Amino acid sequence: ETGVTQTPRHLVMGMTNKKSLKCEQHLGHNAMYWYKQSAKKPLELMFVYSLEERVENNSVPSRFSPECPNSSHLFLHLHTLQPEDSALYLCASSQPGVTNEKLFFGSGTQLSVL
Amino acid sequence: SQQGEEDPQALSIQEGENATMNCSYKTSINNLQWYRQNSGRGLVHLILIRSNEREKHSGRLRVTLDTSKKSSSLLITASRAADTASYFCATARYSSASKIIFGSGTRLSIRP
Repeated sequence: ETGVTQTPRHLVMGMTNKKSLKCEQHLGHNAMYWYKQSAKKPLELMFVYSLEERVENNSVPSRFSPECPNSSHLFLHLHTLQPEDSALYLCASSQPGVTNEKLFFGSGTQLSVL
Repeated sequence: SQQGEEDPQALSIQEGENATMNCSYKTSINNLQWYRQNSGRGLVHLILIRSNEREKHSGRLRVTLDTSKKSSSLLITASRAADTASYFCATARYSSASKIIFGSGTRLSIRP
């Protein structure tokens, strides 16, 4: 148990569906991240939310929409996805200034787009 | 890109043997980290070595860093079946987690 909880663990959706991934961290961190992990590819940073910065990877399509209502919760809203979006989506958190460079990951959501 | 590249991509060894994985990167870094991932799960941080350090130990793990060659190695001694996982190096150019770049990983299998 890393203190970062992701739901759901698995998700199957059609290309016309709208769904959301949820991440919650119980570590008191104030930075949260979404990563995408596709087969045989490096982890791709999608979005970062922290007190210091909000970073968006400009290569992430607009069909992925992040939301961070507070420092403990992070959402990834999905709509009109494509089959190539099927991947493991990982949430992570860190505490800049304390565990500055170390990331704590959730178990991920395995997404399949049909 | 400062992306780390692990070598080999896959490694299979007998339980009890030592496992060595290598990582090369392209630009100057602030620190280099190693993470472990069990199949279909999240990554777990193993160890961090800073650019001014050459070697670091944690339990059965030994990490070396050669900034002149832009390379690092992770040694797992006396391997166990439970060490079966994918191992990733990650480089950070600055002291900020948002600047961490991951490699593609080494898939380690320990045969009983």
